[in-house]
Amino acid sequence: QKEVEQNSGPLSVPEGAIASLNCTYSDRGSQSFFWYRQYSGKSPELIMSIYSNGDKEDGRFTAQLNKASQYVSLLIRDSQPSDSATYLCAVNADFGNEKLTFGTGTRLTIIP
Amino acid sequence: EAGVTQFPSHSVIEKGQTVTLRCDPISGHDNLYWYRRVMGKEIKFLLHFVKESKQDESGMPNNRFLAERTGGTYSTLKVQPAELEDSGVYFCASSRGLAGDDTQYFGPGTRLTVL
Repeated sequence: QKEVEQNSGPLSVPEGAIASLNCTYSDRGSQSFFWYRQYSGKSPELIMSIYSNGDKEDGRFTAQLNKASQYVSLLIRDSQPSDSATYLCAVNADFGNEKLTFGTGTRLTIIP
Repeated sequence: EAGVTQFPSHSVIEKGQTVTLRCDPISGHDNLYWYRRVMGKEIKFLLHFVKESKQDESGMPNNRFLAERTGGTYSTLKVQPAELEDSGVYFCASSRGLAGDDTQYFGPGTRLTVL
């Protein structure tokens, strides 16, 4: 079983709709959770971090964390063509151990 | 504020040769990380520096890989001798390492191709 699992996609969403990206992780002791966006050939760019159960909203982005289910998701509202990218879920096992464990990423395409 | 920079952006070498990758972290960031993405796989952790000290090198694949961070500023990752399976994109990231601010900022990566 992979440590961090994501559906590789591609996920196609019409412009203006909600894109929903999902991630599960195997280490129940994981503490920090991150969503990175990566455009082709570019560096991963952090868009959301979440540490506590529940929802965290930042503009059009909402991260959701459920530690009991070992599940973290990212919702993108009012999807724009510029949101087309690969979204990487990353998990930090515990405080003091800062290495990130990544999923393979979900490729998202927003259809105009 | 300048971001994390990496050099070169691409490197093509033959099996058995040596390659050195360089990473310049964001100024003031004590933490520096190396990661690697092999084709079709996830980004994987290689090692973590705090200033000039290796905090965690559990991800280094073997002793053909040598990372240094002299003076706690830029870092180099040397692969010697390179093998075919070393091909991939090598990312560097840095962070402040302060409580409540563990965001890792990534560089654009070095794409290494070993022929």
